[in-house]
Amino acid sequence: GIQVEQSPPDLILQEGANSTLRCNFSDSVNNLQWFHQNPWGQLINLFYIPSGTKQNGRLSATTVATERYSLLYISSSQTTDSGVYFCAAGDTGNQFYFGTGTSLTVIP
Amino acid sequence: EPEVTQTPSHQVTQMGQEVILRCVPISNHLYFYWYRQILGQKVEFLVSFYNNEISEKSEIFDDQFSVERPDGSNFTLKIRSTKLEDSAMYFCASSGGSSGRSTETQYFGPGTRLLVL
Repeated sequence: GIQVEQSPPDLILQEGANSTLRCNFSDSVNNLQWFHQNPWGQLINLFYIPSGTKQNGRLSATTVATERYSLLYISSSQTTDSGVYFCAAGDTGNQFYFGTGTSLTVIP
Repeated sequence: EPEVTQTPSHQVTQMGQEVILRCVPISNHLYFYWYRQILGQKVEFLVSFYNNEISEKSEIFDDQFSVERPDGSNFTLKIRSTKLEDSAMYFCASSGGSSGRSTETQYFGPGTRLLVL
């Protein structure tokens, strides 16, 4: 299956700061999603982005499929952004392969 | 906005007991999935289901697990004889698959936290 690596594993930010989270994947993908896992354990969809760039408010994501990586940008971070961010990739099958996540803490 | 729902939110069971976790996928979706997340670890794929049969399963999904779509709305995961190591958060997900492929956004439910004692 696809190997998905995320970096950094942990990140601490001051409120208002910007950050970039990275997701590398080992093979070509047909599906890539970013999720935010909140403190209650819920997985919140952020982006479906197998290629290209998308923006949603303070968040944006870019996937360069040919180079096998995706980036999640968080601008003007807020304490509510805290949690774990997961990248998940899928190939031609139905499985999603999750990375180990980036744990983000935003301090006021 | 349509969402995937799961019941119960929490379940505590004794080792060796059977549990059934229930999910209601988004109504017009065609692909259904179960994942699990052991505390502090990454989310792991268990099984995908399409057209009333399993389309793919991982090594984790052994004979103690089964899935069923008993009616037009529910999708269930049964664990026949629970073990301590089955303690985890179990997520159900669904995707549209209108293109005939599952390469569309997967929407996750809120999860069922299973504790096996």
